[in-house]
Amino acid sequence: GAGVSQSPSNKVTEKGKDVELRCDPISGHTALYWYRQRLGQGLEFLIYFQGNSAPDKSGLPSDRFSAERTGESVSTLTIQRTQQEDSAVYLCASSFGQASNYGYTFGSGTRLTVV
Amino acid sequence: QKEVEQNSGPLSVPEGAIASLNCTYSDRGSQSFFWYRQYSGKSPELIMFIYSNGDKEDGRFTAQLNKASQYVSLLIRDSQPSDSATYLCAFLGGSYIPTFGRGTSLIVHP
Repeated sequence: GAGVSQSPSNKVTEKGKDVELRCDPISGHTALYWYRQRLGQGLEFLIYFQGNSAPDKSGLPSDRFSAERTGESVSTLTIQRTQQEDSAVYLCASSFGQASNYGYTFGSGTRLTVV
Repeated sequence: QKEVEQNSGPLSVPEGAIASLNCTYSDRGSQSFFWYRQYSGKSPELIMFIYSNGDKEDGRFTAQLNKASQYVSLLIRDSQPSDSATYLCAFLGGSYIPTFGRGTSLIVHP
């Protein structure tokens, strides 16, 4: 597609429920990143995928968080047993290549609210 | 731990003035540097990237990089109210994972 597509754009869920967020990167972009941005805060790295290599999961805050990506296509971020502190905007970004000098294109994000 | 430091602001400048945004980073191995603009409620969008010492100009924007002093800056000439946003700097080192600063809020008042 022309840009990075994320769905849903908004998600309200009850505490304790599982949620799944989706990211469809730009076609041909081998690298994909998930970030979390709490209200008024900076971008917090979660996980990084590069092609078929093992993902870098060093930013995942707990074992309730997991993510998958098949090849260079769609990625899903799953949060199990959601907590109120999980409320944030979850941003996905993709780039061409591993060490991109062309920057990262962000999707419009998924605003997650846990009530 | 790799860190990026930015003054959170807000930085307030009058319309038509030059806005100067600064960022320091801790990782001496950093290779590439990016400036992103984020409007309230929107996702970040790339303004400029720079990887060589010196200045890089693109329209009203100039990025300046000084690797010895570990800082990167963004100058916005002829600032417009539409430039009011949060500006995030980011750097890329050997880990291939860009590290973002918390951003500087810029307000351009008429």
